[in-house]
Amino acid sequence: SAVISQKPSRDICQRGTSLTIQCQVDSQVTMMFWYRQQPGQSLTLIATANQGSEATYESGFVIDKFPISRPNLTFSTLTVSNMSPEDSSIYLCSVEDRADTQYFGPGTRLTVL
Amino acid sequence: QKEVEQDPGPLSVPEGAIVSLNCTYSNSAFQYFMWYRQYSRKGPELLMYTYSSGNKEDGRFTAQVDKSSKYISLFIRDSQPSDSATYLCASEAGYQKVTFGTGTKLQVIP
Repeated sequence: SAVISQKPSRDICQRGTSLTIQCQVDSQVTMMFWYRQQPGQSLTLIATANQGSEATYESGFVIDKFPISRPNLTFSTLTVSNMSPEDSSIYLCSVEDRADTQYFGPGTRLTVL
Repeated sequence: QKEVEQDPGPLSVPEGAIVSLNCTYSNSAFQYFMWYRQYSRKGPELLMYTYSSGNKEDGRFTAQVDKSSKYISLFIRDSQPSDSATYLCASEAGYQKVTFGTGTKLQVIP
């Protein structure tokens, strides 16, 4: 299984600012995913990030709000832009191994004031 | 209707009890079924993975899938306080988009 780390583990931010979350994997992976987990709700896929191509966003999520970078096969970033209190959530990155099994990072707990 | 429905709980059981966690799904295209365990302030951890109807056992954990009734279950035998966590069921149709339930919070009381 892949070992995934995320930075920061948590942050408290002011409305209108942006936060970039980093995701590092200990092995090369093709598929990386970014999820949001809000209290009482299921994990929601924000976008899929493949190295060398533009991220694919799910309905309800747009690149201007959640720009994603995927510069290589072990790293990705998600930026939460122009934040509002509604963006307070846990953001998780995940990867898929060759057996099509997803593994998750520890998450970034974001609070927007 | 959500594609994957899961009772959020919380579910509280005494140590040693058999725990039954359940989900239903509506998408007939789902082929793969997973259970994740998520401890507080941690990311989800894959617990069980199956792609067929029937039972799959791993130690104290048994995953059961009934495709005819679109029902997914996770059984935990001899439950331990360390099993206290939120359990998420998930399903995938095979094109890499995984749909998660909301999670059931389990507390095993010593």
